[in-house]
Amino acid sequence: QQQVKQSPQSLIVQKGGISIINCAYENTAFDYFPWYQQFPGKGPALLIAIRPDVSEKKEGRFTISFNKSAKQFSLHIMDSQPGDSATYFCAARTGNTGNQFYFGTGTSLTVIP
Amino acid sequence: DSGVTQTPKHLITATGQRVTLRCSPRSGDLSVYWYQQSLDQGLQFLIQYYNGEERAKGNILERFSAQQFPDLHSELNLSSLELGDSALYFCASSGTVNEKLFFGSGTQLSVL
Repeated sequence: QQQVKQSPQSLIVQKGGISIINCAYENTAFDYFPWYQQFPGKGPALLIAIRPDVSEKKEGRFTISFNKSAKQFSLHIMDSQPGDSATYFCAARTGNTGNQFYFGTGTSLTVIP
Repeated sequence: DSGVTQTPKHLITATGQRVTLRCSPRSGDLSVYWYQQSLDQGLQFLIQYYNGEERAKGNILERFSAQQFPDLHSELNLSSLELGDSALYFCASSGTVNEKLFFGSGTQLSVL
């Protein structure tokens, strides 16, 4: 059972466009929602994260929008660049049973010049 | 460089065999997590250790086991390997805050 559902599976965006990746969850015990970026041959690396007490967090061109009532959160990449081409994972952490992190299935983003 | 070291980078073995994957966490990190990454399942949490003790268990098969040693490095043992065990195995570590996971580069396991 996938605790965090992520869509789309793949995304192709023109350079300068907006990339949007969506995630949904059911477990209300989740208390921290990070996004990870993974380049081929590398491990995932933390990109940006949000706590459920805020609705939006922005870091440069990357923004997380969080809707607690809908149990949904999304990553927006503004002015997408070819260098943003990577796989993106949303995740959620529960403080129960030792801080487990549950990951979405990933979105492969391709930004075409 | 995340500071997390995984060895080996690649492993090719046959069905029924046993392998050991090794992970050295970032200096000072007490928590070690193991994840399995496959194309259709994304990152699946296997197990977590904290300062030598098992803290949480995810979708880890009984054929798999792990441990964390006093020097905090961890090993994931996979036995009676099957074709379906072929995947990328990641180790991650985190500090006491347990928010930021630092991932290694992974071990690509191919079971033939």
